[in-house]
Amino acid sequence: EPEVTQTPSHQVTQMGQEVILRCVPISNHLYFYWYRQILGQKVEFLVSFYNNEISEKSEIFDDQFSVERPDGSNFTLKIRSTKLEDSAMYFCAIKRDLAGANEQFFGPGTRLTVL
Amino acid sequence: AQSVSQHNHHVILSEAASLELGCNYSYGGTVNLFWYVQYPGQHLQLLLKYFSGDPLVKGIKGFEAEFIKSKFSFNLRKPSVQWSDTAEYFCAVTVTSGSARQLTFGSGTQLTVLP
Repeated sequence: EPEVTQTPSHQVTQMGQEVILRCVPISNHLYFYWYRQILGQKVEFLVSFYNNEISEKSEIFDDQFSVERPDGSNFTLKIRSTKLEDSAMYFCAIKRDLAGANEQFFGPGTRLTVL
Repeated sequence: AQSVSQHNHHVILSEAASLELGCNYSYGGTVNLFWYVQYPGQHLQLLLKYFSGDPLVKGIKGFEAEFIKSKFSFNLRKPSVQWSDTAEYFCAVTVTSGSARQLTFGSGTQLTVLP
């Protein structure tokens, strides 16, 4: 049984449009993460989220990106005005433990295609 | 900042051959180390992890990895691969300071096992 699901599985959008990617954890978790993988490149960290605020973010996570957990369950990544170079697989990950066991569970990903 | 190098981009083996995938990291402090696998069309799954203690760790599906601190390495091994091991393998590291502990990934190694 997966720890986390993501919707949609594939999103096609026009450049300049806003997209919202959703992550739905199966049970209670403390930490949430977004990573992305541009085709043929490595998986890159975007942002981590703890206690309803951003914990850390990378240089990729600029003002075009935002995250929130609006209903205490779903964890969303919003890209305000998509660019061609935002085309990638976006993975949500979750972690239960505050410290100690450091394992992150990944969702199946959302493939974002910006035209 | 930490970084991870995987020197083998694509490895092709016949069934029953032995496997070793290289992983080196750069970071001066204490790290946690992981190997993730991504089967075609599926999400990232944890193969094994090292936090502390015995540097030889065993994971799922007969995989193991050895942490050699002096070499900053965490190579993945399997004595006899199967066709079903065809997948992309990612080495990843987190530093043990800070609470979010995001993963830094290597560029991945595509393993193709020929029947």
